[in-house]
Amino acid sequence: GDSVTQMEGPVTLSEEAFLTINCTYTATGYPSLFWYVQYPGEGLQLLLKATKADDKGSNKGFEATYRKETTSFHLEKGSVQVSDSAVYFCALGGNGGYNKLIFGAGTRLAVHP
Amino acid sequence: SAVISQKPSRDICQRGTSLTIQCQVDSQVTMMFWYRQQPGQSLTLIATANQGSEATYESGFVIDKFPISRPNLTFSTLTVSNMSPEDSSIYLCSVQDRELFFGSGTQLSVL
Repeated sequence: GDSVTQMEGPVTLSEEAFLTINCTYTATGYPSLFWYVQYPGEGLQLLLKATKADDKGSNKGFEATYRKETTSFHLEKGSVQVSDSAVYFCALGGNGGYNKLIFGAGTRLAVHP
Repeated sequence: SAVISQKPSRDICQRGTSLTIQCQVDSQVTMMFWYRQQPGQSLTLIATANQGSEATYESGFVIDKFPISRPNLTFSTLTVSNMSPEDSSIYLCSVQDRELFFGSGTQLSVL
């Protein structure tokens, strides 16, 4: 069945460092891909999404490109801030939809000043 | 964007008891979902809560264990019945309103 694999955390970085969180997926058809973020004490929030191959999602300085050839959707940010400390979840949705999302295990990011 | 209030935010329960989790949305939404996040694992969809009809459960989840109510378009409850320590998880409500929004979750610990 469909699945999502994320790099294990925690990821610990200094402020202004470059961030990559790897995400690969297995799916039939052409799923949509998502990154969600969960700040401490809050619910999951949609960070960015891509609905077809080669699409690039971006938001708040974060980017991820839908790579069908490598079945990947890696999250990147050029310069992280302390306020980016959170848990990041990669997810896929079948048939281009938002419901019945399949999530990765989540990657905790800790950014230190 | 939809604002979701979920309560309780956390609870510690005894084995064999039941807990009902409430999810209130500030707007009418057609689709509401309940997810579970077991310790160290990813989120898993439990069921889709349908207004006016029975919930649709995913493989591995049954109504007797996780009864769900959806009395209107802004409210749903999930009950975790006859709890055991294996039910210790975070339970999240989510709604689809163009995109998927999540509540802050209920952290359940079963002793």
